[in-house]
Amino acid sequence: QSALTQPASVSGSPGQSITISCTGTSSDVGGYDFVSWYQQHPGKAPKLMIYDVSNRPSGVSNRFSGSKSGNTASLTISGLQAEDEADYYCSSYTTNSARVFGGGTKLTVL
Amino acid sequence: HVQLQESGPGLVKPSETLSLTCTVSGGSIGSYYWTWIRRPPGKGLEWIAYISYTGGTKYNPSLKSRVTISVDTSKNQFSLRLSSVTAADTAVYYCTKFAWGQNWFDPWGQGTLVTVSS
Repeated sequence: QSALTQPASVSGSPGQSITISCTGTSSDVGGYDFVSWYQQHPGKAPKLMIYDVSNRPSGVSNRFSGSKSGNTASLTISGLQAEDEADYYCSSYTTNSARVFGGGTKLTVL
Repeated sequence: HVQLQESGPGLVKPSETLSLTCTVSGGSIGSYYWTWIRRPPGKGLEWIAYISYTGGTKYNPSLKSRVTISVDTSKNQFSLRLSSVTAADTAVYYCTKFAWGQNWFDPWGQGTLVTVSS
């Protein structure tokens, strides 16, 4: 199985919105509504931000939203804040009940 | 709330076997799928394997020949063994879980760095 494709980096100014894409295939992202997103600050454990494409866990800011079209899922962060600067990873359920992650995207808040 | 904590040697020699344990507290190891994920330095997350409380397993095809995952319900622990390690296996190793019918990982352990070096 190949890793999902994410941009290596994105950036935005405080208050702006950014979108991170996550491209897979019909065997993972496109075939199931089981995409999740994780935020990871340096030296910390990953934190679940979005599950099942567009659902937010309790306690996650509504500035974070997810969507999917075809084989590409997206994470949008609106009203960027300094504390949003982190690495972001997508993950998907795959055929044969395996799991796969994206390569990660480094978000820089300018 | 379930909490997870990884433990094991921080340094392993090339060609030897890496062994890690994840201790589950704040809840029973039953009813969930227990997972190992790693992050090599400068790289992204890589799913390694998962095991159910009944012992059913699923492995990443790229690692399957070298990986064994096991669960000890009496100790509320699950373990990872990775054989014939090389420098490419140097990574922070995380344990986490998901529930049947749910396809996201939460919560995660803090992670443990394992360095493969002679």
